[in-house]
Amino acid sequence: GAVVSQHPSWVICKSGTSVKIECRSLDFQATTMFWYRQFPKQSLMLMATSNEGSKATYEQGVEKDKFLINHASLTLSTLTVTSAHPEDSSFYICSARPGAPDTQYFGPGTRLTVL
Amino acid sequence: GENVEQHPSTLSVQEGDSAVIKCTYSDSASNYFPWYKQELGKRPQLIIDIRSNVGEKKDQRIAVTLNKTAKHFSLHITETQPEDSAVYFCAAREFNKFYFGSGTKLNVKP
Repeated sequence: GAVVSQHPSWVICKSGTSVKIECRSLDFQATTMFWYRQFPKQSLMLMATSNEGSKATYEQGVEKDKFLINHASLTLSTLTVTSAHPEDSSFYICSARPGAPDTQYFGPGTRLTVL
Repeated sequence: GENVEQHPSTLSVQEGDSAVIKCTYSDSASNYFPWYKQELGKRPQLIIDIRSNVGEKKDQRIAVTLNKTAKHFSLHITETQPEDSAVYFCAAREFNKFYFGSGTKLNVKP
């Protein structure tokens, strides 16, 4: 159990376009979902925390107008990178947390390349 | 927010030896400390965790220790095997958020 999927697994887009990444909890309801960014050979950086039905909480330094997060249901959160630029190229990973407070389950990640 | 530091950044051991990775955290409010293993291009996988009311936890070859007073926790892997080679991340949960260490690349030489 506790499977989290992400789609797409990779995407290449042109500079200036927007890209949407979906994160789904397949067999549990996620009260909270997290979005992380990971640069090559670096750690996971928390971007934002998303609670179902409410606005996402962004970490300091993360532009909320640049990275739009929607958590419309207990099984789906989306991250939209708006007006993408090459510096937005990265590995984006979501995680989902069910009711149990300690555990988070990670999605497989989405590799975004902006040309 | 929480600040988690992790050392060493790389660790090379001979198969069968032990490996120790150390982390420190800054916020005494953090109360849950998971460890993740991440293979190249894959998602992090939880390998062991510890809550702040426990000093040590063991699961077969893997153990974690926590010193709340000093705000540090460590991962111990005994009898290392080549398949243990990966990047390991520690994390600390502060309220509802998880903050990660910078990662340790473990290389187990056969």
